[in-house]
Amino acid sequence: DIQMTQSPSSLSASVGDRVTFTCRASQSIASSTLNWYQQKPGKAPKLLIYAASSLQSGVPSRFSGDGSGTDFTLTISSLQPADFATYYCQQSYSTPWTFGQGTRVDIK
Amino acid sequence: QLQLQESGPGLVKPSETLSLTCSVSGGSISSSSYYWGWLRQPPGKGLQWIASIYYSGNTYYNPSLKSRVTISVDTSKNHFSLELRSVTVADTAVYYCARQGIRNKSIDYWGQGILVTVSS
Repeated sequence: DIQMTQSPSSLSASVGDRVTFTCRASQSIASSTLNWYQQKPGKAPKLLIYAASSLQSGVPSRFSGDGSGTDFTLTISSLQPADFATYYCQQSYSTPWTFGQGTRVDIK
Repeated sequence: QLQLQESGPGLVKPSETLSLTCSVSGGSISSSSYYWGWLRQPPGKGLQWIASIYYSGNTYYNPSLKSRVTISVDTSKNHFSLELRSVTVADTAVYYCARQGIRNKSIDYWGQGILVTVSS
């Protein structure tokens, strides 16, 4: 199985901050197979970024993704109140499709 | 607007079978562009993919669960189903049904989730 490791596991930030978190795959994966999701408490995850850097329809442009090989990042350019949530990366390169353990973003 | 809705019992006894159905509305489960799948999330923990199915019946399973899981599709009813046999307390989780694009397999639509508790 491909292990996905996210860092940090949590972070505290303020509205307006630029935040970046990382996802590392245990082996190299195609960029087209790295996805990012946002999950709020009690809700289903929501797709933010697919294929490492493509913004899902309806997702604000303050979200961006980058990376290749084993290292990927999700950046929020200016944190908004609606962005306090947990973020998961997922690889769809090979089955079993696996997720990182999540990065929780809360209010400083 | 596509909608997915999970249904099934919220409580299952240990050693019994968990059976869930996902009803799809606002779109056809027979689309050639998507897989349909199940994932789960134990309370306070991360996400685990369980299984996916194509409308033609091709199936994909997480090896860690494969011996206990069956996923099936009923195109006439526009729904798909999950069976998880011989459940234990470790199978307590919120179960989500979802749609995955066939190209990059990102999960673009999710059901609201159903909490299934395994307890005697």
